[in-house]
Amino acid sequence: RKEVEQDPGPFNVPEGATVAFNCTYSNSASQSFFWYRQDCRKEPKLLMSVYSSGNEDGRFTAQLNRASQYISLLIRDSKLSDSATYLCVVNLDRGSTLGRLYFGRGTQLTVWP
Amino acid sequence: ETGVTQTPRHLVMGMTNKKSLKCEQHLGHNAMYWYKQSAKKPLELMFVYNFKEQTENNSVPSRFSPECPNSSHLFLHLHTLQPEDSALYLCASSQIAGGNNEQFFGPGTRLTVL
Repeated sequence: RKEVEQDPGPFNVPEGATVAFNCTYSNSASQSFFWYRQDCRKEPKLLMSVYSSGNEDGRFTAQLNRASQYISLLIRDSKLSDSATYLCVVNLDRGSTLGRLYFGRGTQLTVWP
Repeated sequence: ETGVTQTPRHLVMGMTNKKSLKCEQHLGHNAMYWYKQSAKKPLELMFVYNFKEQTENNSVPSRFSPECPNSSHLFLHLHTLQPEDSALYLCASSQIAGGNNEQFFGPGTRLTVL
């Protein structure tokens, strides 16, 4: 079973649309949760961390449901510049093994004018 | 230079060649990582170094050999690779390994093995 599963996409939405991505993780001991963004042929960059209480950063809202092992990302008022692949990422530190991030395959978003 | 840099950006090598990938971080971090990104697959962690000590080897074949001489530099030595090793190799760093520490990625080296 994969550690992190994401909606495969692709999502193609018009400018101004609201779009939501979902992600599930398999290990209930996972400690930290993130959304990264990866533009075409570029490196991943942190978009936002995800906290238990939910958090918002401008047009982006992230939610975490530990009971269901579920993470979501909501993008409101989509911009052309939001077109990218969104990676759901989970951290699981085990004993002396720290810094282990598990990445989902990513969900591709294209925003069209 | 700022952030995380990687050289070379592109590399084509034969199966009998020996080459090295270099990563340098200018962020004052203490943890560095190697990841592999293949087409249609999630990023896979290969190695973790925390304060120059290797803390993770994610069952990586011995034809990949990491080296971390100090907290700012990380190398990946390659020898007798296979065509299926062709991928984007990404280096990352963070303040320390683990927890909620954001990992900053370099631009990657796109490797093709002929």
